Amino acid sequence: AQKITQTQPGMFVQEKEAVTLDCTYDTSDPSYGLFWYKQPSSGEMIFLIYQGSYDQQNATEGRYSLNFQKARKSANLVISASQLGDSAMYFCAMREGNQGGKLIFGQGTELSVKP
Amino acid sequence: DVKVTQSSRYLVKRTGEKVFLECVQDMDHENMFWYRQDPGLGLRLIYFSYDVKMKEKGDIPEGYSVSREKKERFSLILESASTNQTSMYLCASRLDRTGTEAFFGQGTRLTVV
Repeated sequence: AQKITQTQPGMFVQEKEAVTLDCTYDTSDPSYGLFWYKQPSSGEMIFLIYQGSYDQQNATEGRYSLNFQKARKSANLVISASQLGDSAMYFCAMREGNQGGKLIFGQGTELSVKP
Repeated sequence: DVKVTQSSRYLVKRTGEKVFLECVQDMDHENMFWYRQDPGLGLRLIYFSYDVKMKEKGDIPEGYSVSREKKERFSLILESASTNQTSMYLCASRLDRTGTEAFFGQGTRLTVV
């Protein structure tokens, strides 16, 4: 069963607008971590943001914020003020504490920013 | 800066060949991972290692094996390459099981003909 689900294969956003990329997860482990990575066309994987399951506040890193809704098991990435350089694949990932730190990824969302 | 280096960027192999993909990290990380990336499927975990000589199967281990004899090196082995193993392979490392960031290599695009 898919443990990390990204239901948006592709999305478009206008430059300077905000965009939300969806991610839902499934785990019975009370201790886990959630991650977002960016993969531009060059292929490198760039770490964006991390949220721990016990963190009380939503994580933020510059223009990136993670909308963590624990009861709904969702960890959506919000990018504010989109830039052309934000066009890329975005992957949500989860680390489960009871799986030895296993790190699993979703299917990805391809974001295109329009000028 | 953490550096994760994969031995080849592009590789072409014949069906039935034994293939070795090498990954080296320079930051004394305990955890290392091998993924394959295919369009529409995201990154799928093949194997991971949480310490030297320790390994765990990921979600798609069939047709693959791994070796971690030294902490800095994690090798992925395709025992008998098949065309359905044509893919992008990504290696990653992380400080330990509680680490908040995994660092990735540049990827190896493997084509099996």
